[in-house]
Amino acid sequence: EAGVVQSPRYKIIEKKQPVAFWCNPISGHNTLYWYLQNLGQGPELLIRYENEEAVDDSQLPKDRFSAERLKGVDSTLKIQPAELGDSAVYLCASSLGPSNEQFFGPGTRLTVL
Amino acid sequence: GDSVTQMEGPVTLSEEAFLTINCTYTATGYPSLFWYVQYPGEGLQLLLKATKADDKGSNKGFEATYRKETTSFHLEKGSVQVSDSAVYFCALVLNSGNTPLVFGKGTRLSVIA
Repeated sequence: EAGVVQSPRYKIIEKKQPVAFWCNPISGHNTLYWYLQNLGQGPELLIRYENEEAVDDSQLPKDRFSAERLKGVDSTLKIQPAELGDSAVYLCASSLGPSNEQFFGPGTRLTVL
Repeated sequence: GDSVTQMEGPVTLSEEAFLTINCTYTATGYPSLFWYVQYPGEGLQLLLKATKADDKGSNKGFEATYRKETTSFHLEKGSVQVSDSAVYFCALVLNSGNTPLVFGKGTRLSVIA
């Protein structure tokens, strides 16, 4: 069975440009998470979806970040415009439900120049 | 707030050496505790977990015991291998409801032959 798929794996952009990350969770997993992992730090939750509903987005900087999970499967995380401080790894994870084990994708490493 | 503190890395060991990575936590409620491992170029994988005091999680030769009296969950392995080289993250989640995983900063382990 395929794991959590993320693309792209790497992205380099100039500041003020927009960028989008895509995540395909494990089939049948209703809960989807986006995490931010800064260099030398542990992951921090940005947003959690239950099916297509965002149930915890308190840590998502809504002035420049947005996310969607249309049809409750794939999800996209967008930054517009990107800033230098957004350089980090963006991780996607999924689970059967909010109390079940989370499975992580390999992440997208973003570099903002 | 809830937090996890783990020993700073990097940790460099020779093959077959004994490993300990310390982890302590602060939680407002009653947590479950986890160790995740991140191999180079891969996503985080759950290594082991414990859901209540005195539980011992174990997997692939790694062990950790949930110590409520010392609020600790130290990771140990009796004989490390080169293939254990990775970044290890301690994490917690409160059992009381739909709360996010809280991660430590990670400890990089390098095992040399």
